[in-house]
Amino acid sequence: QKEVEQDPGPLSVPEGAIVSLNCTYSNSAFQYFMWYRQYSRKGPELLMYTYSSGNKEDGRFTAQVDKSSKYISLFIRDSQPSDSATYLCARPGFQKLVFGTGTRLLVSP
Amino acid sequence: DTEVTQTPKHLVMGMTNKKSLKCEQHMGHRAMYWYKQKAKKPPELMFVYSYEKLSINESVPSRFSPECPNSSLLNLHLHALQPEDSALYLCASSQDLSSRERYRENEKLFFGSGTQLSVL
Repeated sequence: QKEVEQDPGPLSVPEGAIVSLNCTYSNSAFQYFMWYRQYSRKGPELLMYTYSSGNKEDGRFTAQVDKSSKYISLFIRDSQPSDSATYLCARPGFQKLVFGTGTRLLVSP
Repeated sequence: DTEVTQTPKHLVMGMTNKKSLKCEQHMGHRAMYWYKQKAKKPPELMFVYSYEKLSINESVPSRFSPECPNSSLLNLHLHALQPEDSALYLCASSQDLSSRERYRENEKLFFGSGTQLSVL
């Protein structure tokens, strides 16, 4: 079983939709999680990080961790075509990041 | 300046060639990384340098040879590569190394745009 798993998608939504991107993780000891966004032919960039459980909000983005179900979510409100990218969840490992497989999001105008 | 600059952006090489990928950052970061990313896959760690010393080698074949000449520069020397080595090679830097125990702001990784490598 992989440490962090995601549905690869693609997930296609119309502009303005609320998007829900999800990850599951295997080890209940993990406490920190990040969401990275990667545009085509670019390196990943950090969107948000969260600790343990609960919600964290930043503009149109909300990150949520549910420890009981080992589920990590990223919600995007009022999605825009510029949000079209691959979204990678990740957790810090010793001296490295461990990434999920990534979910490709397509937001159509 | 919060950029990590990688050159070249694209590289095509034969299996007998020797080439080098270059990475530069001027953020004063002391940890630098090479990641490899195949199409539709997540980045996979290859090497980590901390304070210009090799800290992690993720069992990478010797045809990949990293070098950290100073705290701002990171090179990846390529020799006798195979077609399956074709991928996007990403350089990253962080102020400090990450800890398994907790995440801190100074562990945030900044990635370059990568070098798209094709081995013929």
